[in-house]
Amino acid sequence: GAGVSQSPRYKVTKRGQDVALRCDPISGHVSLYWYRQALGQGPEFLTYFNYEAQQDKSGLPNDRFSAERPEGSISTLTIQRTEQRDSAMYRCASSLEQNNQPQHFGDGTRLSIL
Amino acid sequence: GESVGLHLPTLSVQEGDNSIINCAYSNSASDYFIWYKQESGKGPQFIIDIRSNMDKRQGQRVTVLLNKTVKHLSLQIAATQPGDSAVYFCAETSTSGTYKYIFGTGTRLKVLA
Repeated sequence: GAGVSQSPRYKVTKRGQDVALRCDPISGHVSLYWYRQALGQGPEFLTYFNYEAQQDKSGLPNDRFSAERPEGSISTLTIQRTEQRDSAMYRCASSLEQNNQPQHFGDGTRLSIL
Repeated sequence: GESVGLHLPTLSVQEGDNSIINCAYSNSASDYFIWYKQESGKGPQFIIDIRSNMDKRQGQRVTVLLNKTVKHLSLQIAATQPGDSAVYFCAETSTSGTYKYIFGTGTRLKVLA
């Protein structure tokens, strides 16, 4: 595909359930980022991969959040034991390489915790 | 789709006029700056970027100005069109770090016919 693809587009789940959000970056993009965006605000950084290596996870809110990118392409953001405060738009971005290249964003997954 | 920018600063301009959107950044170590356009229900769309060794960069109908002395960025859109209506975010990052972007508050641009 031409752009960053995220699935599902919408996810509604009950509090306490685990969720997995998927990101398929632009083909050939080495760097992959996860952000969370609240309504009316810019995206906030969660974590970053260069190839398959998770190089920065300083933005993950707590240990219920984890991410992986095992083959250096598709990435999964997992939230365990979801809470209502986890409700947000989760966005993935990718860039061609780490240095001086703009990040290109997907249309996100809207997560709603009931 | 979801509404972006429910309570953001709003700039209203007449179609055909030029728009100037401003952004103050926070980190003196930031050396790479990017402008994004976000339409309702969509992800941020890259518009233009600038590195700290430049103070001006032009694209198609857009110009970004960087003033490192006062840590200020601006995005100028020439001959604003209805399709330019969106929320605009600036982002900053340090290329010596992990390239995580720090986004500004955002400005809603409304183009009046």
